[in-house]
Amino acid sequence: GAGVSQSPSNKVTEKGKDVELRCDPISGHTALYWYRQSLGQGLEFLIYFQGNSAPDKSGLPSDRFSAERTGGSVSTLTIQRTQQEDSAVYLCASREGQYTEAFFGQGTRLTVV
Amino acid sequence: GENVEQHPSTLSVQEGDSAVIKCTYSDSASNYFPWYKQELGKGPQLIIDIRSNVGEKKDQRIAVTLNKTAKHFSLHITETQPEDSAVYFCAASYTGGFKTIFGAGTRLFVKA
Repeated sequence: GAGVSQSPSNKVTEKGKDVELRCDPISGHTALYWYRQSLGQGLEFLIYFQGNSAPDKSGLPSDRFSAERTGGSVSTLTIQRTQQEDSAVYLCASREGQYTEAFFGQGTRLTVV
Repeated sequence: GENVEQHPSTLSVQEGDSAVIKCTYSDSASNYFPWYKQELGKGPQLIIDIRSNVGEKKDQRIAVTLNKTAKHFSLHITETQPEDSAVYFCAASYTGGFKTIFGAGTRLFVKA
């Protein structure tokens, strides 16, 4: 595709349910990132992938959060037993190399009710 | 740990004036410093970047300066226009990998 694609664009879920957020990066981009942005706030680093491996998972808020990337392409961020404080926009980005632009998707707006 | 601080959180200027946003980073191993602009309802987009071997870079009305000794870098926008109104994020990338940490953002308002 032409850019980073995220799905769904909006997700409303009940507290306690699990959710999966999907990111399709730009083809050929080796690095993939997940960030969380709460309303009016900055970008909170969650995790990044280099290929299929995740060298740094230090940003994941709790063990309810996990992410995987398969085939060096699509990534899924899973949140188990969602809580209201998980409500935010989850942004995915990909980049080709270390000193190159990170291209962001439009984000998934998650609302936990 | 790695941290990027950004100031101010909000900045209001008159059209035609200059705007300056400042950031500091904690890890001296950082070697790449991009700036992103985020408009309402969209993902951030790169507007300018600088590598640690360069002290200043300019692109039309936008310039970025880097002081490695002080671990400071700044974004300068001259002749501001209403369409410059957005949230601006600084970021620092770390030598050890591709990890990129963002500042908290600056909401810029340009009044016509």
